[in-house]
Amino acid sequence: GESVGLHLPTLSVQEGDNSIINCAYSNSASDYFIWYKQESGKGPQFIIDIRSNMDKRQGQRVTVLLNKTVKHLSLQIAATQPGDSAVYFCAETINQAGTALIFGKGTTLSVSS
Amino acid sequence: DGGITQSPKYLFRKEGQNVTLSCEQNLNHDAMYWYRQDPGQGLRLIYYSQIVNDFQKGDIAEGYSVSREKKESFPLTVTSAQKNPTAFYLCASSRIDGGYTFGSGTRLTVV
Repeated sequence: GESVGLHLPTLSVQEGDNSIINCAYSNSASDYFIWYKQESGKGPQFIIDIRSNMDKRQGQRVTVLLNKTVKHLSLQIAATQPGDSAVYFCAETINQAGTALIFGKGTTLSVSS
Repeated sequence: DGGITQSPKYLFRKEGQNVTLSCEQNLNHDAMYWYRQDPGQGLRLIYYSQIVNDFQKGDIAEGYSVSREKKESFPLTVTSAQKNPTAFYLCASSRIDGGYTFGSGTRLTVV
């Protein structure tokens, strides 16, 4: 799999590889973070979230890592499948009632068979 | 099933015309949001509302207006003052603990 330290707008991987998508967030006061997957013409789909009191959280085939020191998030997708091809966004917020999500730049993941 | 519904899915606007995009939720969420997405770009916040009869401007509110007369509804009007309205518009709502739900979007095109 490919691992990059900086945000890249596109990431191409082979089926079965592990993918790592990176995101830098802007507000040091943000304490809640979400990764979304967006397919063409559709709304964002929730993947996984993490709060600032955690460094790592795992879901099914996905892991989110949070580094508050450098304001960096990453999404790891294990055994990437063609159905994972989409645009991935990170979002941050201060988790108070009704606080809006601020979205980062997306990364387009392309998975080839 | 509870959810958030945006309509119409596609909308065409003539130059100088106001159009209103609908967003309805039956999730009993207090907060609602409108985002704009341009091709190849992330989502940018237009307006948001934390409670009925109250709303705040986001980063790109110019040329847009909203109302929040009912908890379930948060319509967005794209006015003639918005010079480049062609975009994909997404509505969202959230619980107090932050659970966010997005609609399926409205694609607005100026003709």
